[in-house]
Amino acid sequence: QVQLVQSGVEVKKPGASVKVSCKASGYTFGSYGITWVRHAPGQGLEWMGWISAYNGVANYAQKFQGRLTMTTDTSTSTAYMELRSLRSDDTAVYYCARSGAKVAKGFDHWGQGTLLTVSS
Amino acid sequence: DIQMTQSPSSLSASVGDRVTITCRASQGIRKDLDWYQQKSGKNPERLIYGASSLQSGVPSRFSGSGSGTEFTLTISSLQPEDFATYYCLQHNSYPLTFGQGTKVEIK
Repeated sequence: QVQLVQSGVEVKKPGASVKVSCKASGYTFGSYGITWVRHAPGQGLEWMGWISAYNGVANYAQKFQGRLTMTTDTSTSTAYMELRSLRSDDTAVYYCARSGAKVAKGFDHWGQGTLLTVSS
Repeated sequence: DIQMTQSPSSLSASVGDRVTITCRASQGIRKDLDWYQQKSGKNPERLIYGASSLQSGVPSRFSGSGSGTEFTLTISSLQPEDFATYYCLQHNSYPLTFGQGTKVEIK
């Protein structure tokens, strides 16, 4: 069965960076993409960006341009999301989800979420 | 960016009620819309894709309709396990955007 298993809880100080992993199993990793979505306390879901595990093409939401990088490692079927220059309003649960291979589409399987707390 | 306006933001309903949630897109998105359910403390799950196709394993009391700019999620007979927050998502163009969410609570 398809599974996306994310790395654990993170606590960071403002200005630091975080790198969250998402290990996929149960399907051909390179035939899909991975989207990252976050859910801040009291807020709705927010799309951050998408990366194709097929060809490495990525598309990021404008608000994260310059401090967000998504990568994939097809040898380990793992996707990564790195967010830099962290601020307190980056405190959220971060989810990876399986998406389209050539364009971002809807998400049929989700990781369990990674809680990031940014606090001094 | 395409804005997704979801309504209502919350509703109270009883078990057995018929519930309807609406999403309006700021421009036409064909049928490039999904619906997701998120229970408290859990990851979201897709209910409907392509505006009207039922995700495998999802009960048939959930249905979706619409195209272009107006979309609807209907729960034909609300069950206790359906109390959750529901989101629409447009994936017609970047950036993908979610509606603000609809919290369905017990009356």
